[in-house]
Amino acid sequence: AQSVTQLDSQVPVFEEAPVELRCNYSSSVSVYLFWYVQYPNQGLQLLLKYLSGSTLVKGINGFEAEFNKSQTSFHLRKPSVHISDTAEYFCAVSDRGPNAGGTSYGKLTFGQGTILTVHP
Amino acid sequence: EAQVTQNPRYLITVTGKKLTVTCSQNMNHEYMSWYRQDPGLGLRQIYYSMNVEVTDKGDVPEGYKVSRKEKRNFPLILESPSPNQTSLYFCASRGDRRAPYEQYFGPGTRLTVT
Repeated sequence: AQSVTQLDSQVPVFEEAPVELRCNYSSSVSVYLFWYVQYPNQGLQLLLKYLSGSTLVKGINGFEAEFNKSQTSFHLRKPSVHISDTAEYFCAVSDRGPNAGGTSYGKLTFGQGTILTVHP
Repeated sequence: EAQVTQNPRYLITVTGKKLTVTCSQNMNHEYMSWYRQDPGLGLRQIYYSMNVEVTDKGDVPEGYKVSRKEKRNFPLILESPSPNQTSLYFCASRGDRRAPYEQYFGPGTRLTVT
């Protein structure tokens, strides 16, 4: 089984400032890692994912995340935020399927969400 | 266009009145699932289906039923809704079990039970 903890429920920041949204996970098997964004009154949109290879992953809208296996973290960063980045952000994990010891067949386990509010 | 559709998008109902939220995907995906989203809890899986006539409980199945009679459809049934089922519901589908990261989400259904 997996679990995900997003360390901040709300992050206020001023426009053009950098931001980091923190995510830690726990799993007994190898996982895939994801960040999703939910704009007000909208559905979920995939920002980026880590599957394998380089630990620095770049996504849409200028976001990037770094996978740290030793710290079991997958923090999301953006060097300069815009008002339009105001949204709720979810970190999620899934196991890698039965060939990698997984048993949940693609179930996504989500963190509690972090509400990013960008102020002018 | 590859997509997951849900209907209705918004629903207000009363306690005990049976309802069904439909979910359909046009990608010939085997795996489908339902999640509910609640403030401070993120999204939690309700039920999933690995193929036609194969369904299983997720993390929060109480009060819900599902069926999978066709590959494209995966309806969520609340036979006797209660106020604690007021939530935002998402249907999702995934194709190749060798690529469990390729998940597609529907637009969501906001349910209010009074």
